[in-house]
Amino acid sequence: GDSVTQMEGPVTLSEEAFLTINCTYTATGYPSLFWYVQYPGEGLQLLLKATKADDKGSNKGFEATYRKETTSFHLEKGSVQVSDSAVYFCALSFNSGGYQKVTFGTGTKLQVIP
Amino acid sequence: NAGVTQTPKFQVLKTGQSMTLQCAQDMNHEYMSWYRQDPGMGLRLIHYSVGAGITDQGEVPNGYNVSRSTTEDFPLRLLSAAPSQTSVYFCASSERGRSNEKLFFGSGTQLSVL
Repeated sequence: GDSVTQMEGPVTLSEEAFLTINCTYTATGYPSLFWYVQYPGEGLQLLLKATKADDKGSNKGFEATYRKETTSFHLEKGSVQVSDSAVYFCALSFNSGGYQKVTFGTGTKLQVIP
Repeated sequence: NAGVTQTPKFQVLKTGQSMTLQCAQDMNHEYMSWYRQDPGMGLRLIHYSVGAGITDQGEVPNGYNVSRSTTEDFPLRLLSAAPSQTSVYFCASSERGRSNEKLFFGSGTQLSVL
């Protein structure tokens, strides 16, 4: 079945460091890919998405490129801030039997220290 | 901008008790869903609905009931709570449930079953 594999956390970085969170997926066909972010005590919110191969999603300095050949959607940011501390979820989405089937990774906790 | 509203935020139950988690959205979204979030397992789909009067099972439906009498509301019922249902529950919605649409999440309900 479909699956999403994320790098295990927690990831601890100093402010202004470069961030990469790896995400690879297994799926039949070509899903839409998402990164969601969860701040403490809150629900998930969309960070960025890409709906076809070679698309790049970007938002708030974060970027991820849909790589069909490596089935990956790695999240990057050039200079992290303390306010980026959160849990990041990679997800893929298909339409399956009339509903939006979303498969989430297990999440990667990021801690940014001043 | 209310978005997706969940109540209560916290709940403690004894084994065998029943309760209803409330979810309401004010965006006129057709698609609504319930997820549970457990450590190391990401989010798993419990039940979903593609419109008023239409519901179906997700990945982990046992022990839960749902109904959708209006577009706005999608309550989740625990029939006889068990310790295995201790989790954080999220309600989510999207406009039409298509694979390229983002999900809007509520802020979650933390449930403990003793």
